[in-house]
Parts: sequence; C-alpha cells; structure tokens
Amino acid sequence: QSVLTQPPSVSGAPGQRVTISCTGSSSNIGAGYDIHWYQQVLGTAPKLLIYGNNNRPSGVPDRFSGSKSGTSASLAISGLQFEDEADYYCQSYDSSLSGRVFGGGTKLTVL
Amino acid sequence: GQLVESGGGLVQPGGSLRLSCAASGFTFSDYEMHWVRQVTGKGLEWVSAVGRAGDTYYAGSVKGRFTTSRENAKNSLYLQMTSLRVGDTAVYYCVREETTSSAGGFDIWGQGTMVTVSS
Repeated sequence: QSVLTQPPSVSGAPGQRVTISCTGSSSNIGAGYDIHWYQQVLGTAPKLLIYGNNNRPSGVPDRFSGSKSGTSASLAISGLQFEDEADYYCQSYDSSLSGRVFGGGTKLTVL
Repeated sequence: GQLVESGGGLVQPGGSLRLSCAASGFTFSDYEMHWVRQVTGKGLEWVSAVGRAGDTYYAGSVKGRFTTSRENAKNSLYLQMTSLRVGDTAVYYCVREETTSSAGGFDIWGQGTMVTVSS
C-alpha cells in the first residue's frame, strides 16, 4: 500500500485530455511538501516530468501540467499522443516516515 | 549529467553486495543523491539518500541492513547491502536530486543495475 494513492490506470484517445490524481495526507502533500511527477516508458528509467508541483524541466512539452491542492495533486496531459503511453508516478516527502515516498503508479493507455 | 550504476548480480539470501554509481557532467558534491529501486513489473520505491555533507537517510524496509555513502573526490555514490532478502530483488537506480527546493525532484537517473537475491 503506497503512501501516495494513484489510480492504477487511465486511458484516452489521441488529442484528448486526461488527468492523473495523487492523494496523500497531512504528513506529505498536505504539509506543503512539493510533488514531483515521473514518466516511465516500458523498459526504460523514469524521467522527471514535473517538479515543484507545476514546473516542467527543459524539453518537456507544455502539454504536461501539474497542480496541487490540499492533500492532493494532479497531472494533466492534454493533446494525448501515442508516445505518451507510459507509467506515471507522483513523489513527495513524508515527515512521518522521514523519507521520500512514491505513488503506486498509473498506467496510461492511449486508445 | 550522467549516472552509471554497477555492481549488481545474483546473491544468496543473507548475503551482501555493494553497488556503485559513477557520476559525470556535473559537480557531484553540490547534490544530494539517492537510491531508488523497482521490482520487475511493480512501482518505484525510495531506498536511501546521502546529503551533500554525508548525512544519510533510509527507508524503513532497509534501515539497519543497507548503508549509503559517497566519495566526492571520485564522483561516486555507493550502496552497501547486507542481510539481503528475496524481497530486495529489484533494479536499483542511482538518482540525483535537483536543488530548487529542500525536497526536490529526481532529475537525473542512471540506467539501473539488477540485484537478484535467490538461493
């Protein structure tokens, strides 16, 4: 059971917009710690997609955006493309555990 | 920047293994470094961290069994794993933490090294 909760899977058609939720608690997201998002294409290492809740590293398309409110965060992907098919993970810091925590991951399928 | 792990392999339960990570293309001593692992087909799990000053932090699942260290002069990160269990079988990634906040994102990942604990 992950400290951060994500839906196991989401799907969408090319061109559509999807969101992936990440629900935490008062010891992580709710405590004000930043949320980061990663994309992992099958067989490769994860890649930082969003850092500090809503910032994109250089090279990440602006189709990807992040938000945070209360004890939850979301990753939105607009204009879905087949190449977006991957696993997505949220990550933060948890003060109760005194360490970093990941969500369980969400598999995005582009139909 | 680039991170390259080495040292993975097959080890028996109860055994030990030392992973290494060679960093290049950035000032290694300026960054907190981490180990993250992933069981095949499963999610990511944070394992440990070492701060710029050498302070260390561990996940509860490995505390007391794993030791993380760094050698800035060699641009290297290490993970000494002892009392290994079957459940420690995973790909282990060396990861750099970006510095825009006190608990930043992991902006550079190695390719991973596979550790298999089996008799």
